[in-house]
Amino acid sequence: AQSVTQPDIHITVSEGASLELRCNYSYGATPYLFWYVQSPGQGLQLLLKYFSGDTLVQGIKGFEAEFKRSQSSFNLRKPSVHWSDAAEYFCAVGAPGSARQLTFGSGTQLTVLP
Amino acid sequence: DAGVIQSPRHEVTEMGQEVTLRCKLISGHNSLFWYRQTMMRGLELLIYFNNNVPIDDSGMPEDRFSAKMPNASFSTLKIQPSEPRDSAVYFCASTVQGGNQPQHFGDGTRLSIL
Repeated sequence: AQSVTQPDIHITVSEGASLELRCNYSYGATPYLFWYVQSPGQGLQLLLKYFSGDTLVQGIKGFEAEFKRSQSSFNLRKPSVHWSDAAEYFCAVGAPGSARQLTFGSGTQLTVLP
Repeated sequence: DAGVIQSPRHEVTEMGQEVTLRCKLISGHNSLFWYRQTMMRGLELLIYFNNNVPIDDSGMPEDRFSAKMPNASFSTLKIQPSEPRDSAVYFCASTVQGGNQPQHFGDGTRLSIL
């Protein structure tokens, strides 16, 4: 069975600082990987996805993520955080060939200090 | 383009009452997912449909919960009778079956059972 671990429940960074949110997955092969962001009172919005090819994936809002097979990781990064990035971030894994069933991590809450 | 539309956005009702949550898929999508989000359990998949047919309902907590797709673009999630422990945010998401498409989420229904 596939699983996702986001080891950081809560992260606080200052505006303008760099950000890295960790995600580790468990799956027997190369999965489909996603990062979603959820602002208060909103649904989940897709930031980026990895299916195959280049292991460094660019997403919206200046985010990127790198798939590292050897570490079973798919960490999310942003070089300079903006106050509007404060939200909850979810990593998700899906079976190859389909994005039907996703397993979500428990989420990382990001606080941005002025 | 219109995204996934959920209604109502908020619902407060007394225990024992029937609750119906509604979801309109994105045009052209044929897979539909219902999720429940709570602080304790995070984001849980309840059920998903492909082409109006329920594929996996193993996440439905008990018989009080039922979901239908009366047509290709619309789904309902019903709880009867409702209980306080059903209080959560319920999301639906849609995508295209079999393609490399991510799930698109609605803004959710915040349900409070008193």
